[in-house]
Amino acid sequence: NAGVTQTPKFQVLKTGQSMTLQCAQDMNHEYMSWYRQDPGMGLRLIHYSVGAGITDQGEVPNGYNVSRSTTEDFPLRLLSAAPSQTSVYFCASNRGHEQFFGPGTRLTVL
Amino acid sequence: GNSVTQMEGPVTLSEEAFLTINCTYTATGYPSLFWYVQYPGEGLQLLLKATKADDKGSNKGFEATYRKETTSFHLEKGSVQVSDSAVYFCALSDLMYSGGGADGLTFGKGTHLIIQP
Repeated sequence: NAGVTQTPKFQVLKTGQSMTLQCAQDMNHEYMSWYRQDPGMGLRLIHYSVGAGITDQGEVPNGYNVSRSTTEDFPLRLLSAAPSQTSVYFCASNRGHEQFFGPGTRLTVL
Repeated sequence: GNSVTQMEGPVTLSEEAFLTINCTYTATGYPSLFWYVQYPGEGLQLLLKATKADDKGSNKGFEATYRKETTSFHLEKGSVQVSDSAVYFCALSDLMYSGGGADGLTFGKGTHLIIQP
């Protein structure tokens, strides 16, 4: 099992550009989530999904879109990048209470 | 709503010292409690968990006891090593509360632990 994988590992964008952060899991977990991690802020939930075709907003959803067409994949889209979206992004999937995290994507928006 | 409060650090200790990282929580239901660890440049990994009051979670020499009377889940280790240097996150999952995400998981802000040789 590869677990939770994320691509890319690093990304630099200019303000206004759009991009998609990829996330995939091979554990057949129904639940998947996207978090952002900022210094002194811990992890904040952006969006989550309880199964294919079902998504919902978390604590900080503005500026991000998600979709869940398959159980395995949960991409996060930045529609028009802003410097405030500079962060480290983690994808996670759940088995019961335990969350499994991907290695993260470090995004810088100039 | 639910919340988790933990000491933010950084906490700097010498090798073989005793470690305590405090964590307290508020929850509307009957939460499960977790400690996650993040090593430099990596994602979070589950370190230990406890699903009901008085349970003790343990792993890799770390322990934490679910204390409902004090709403606490303090992380302890008797003798730390340089390899324990990481950021530690306390978290709770409360199935009675749907606002925290896919499984109601709420994180503290993390404690940066530095172990010096």
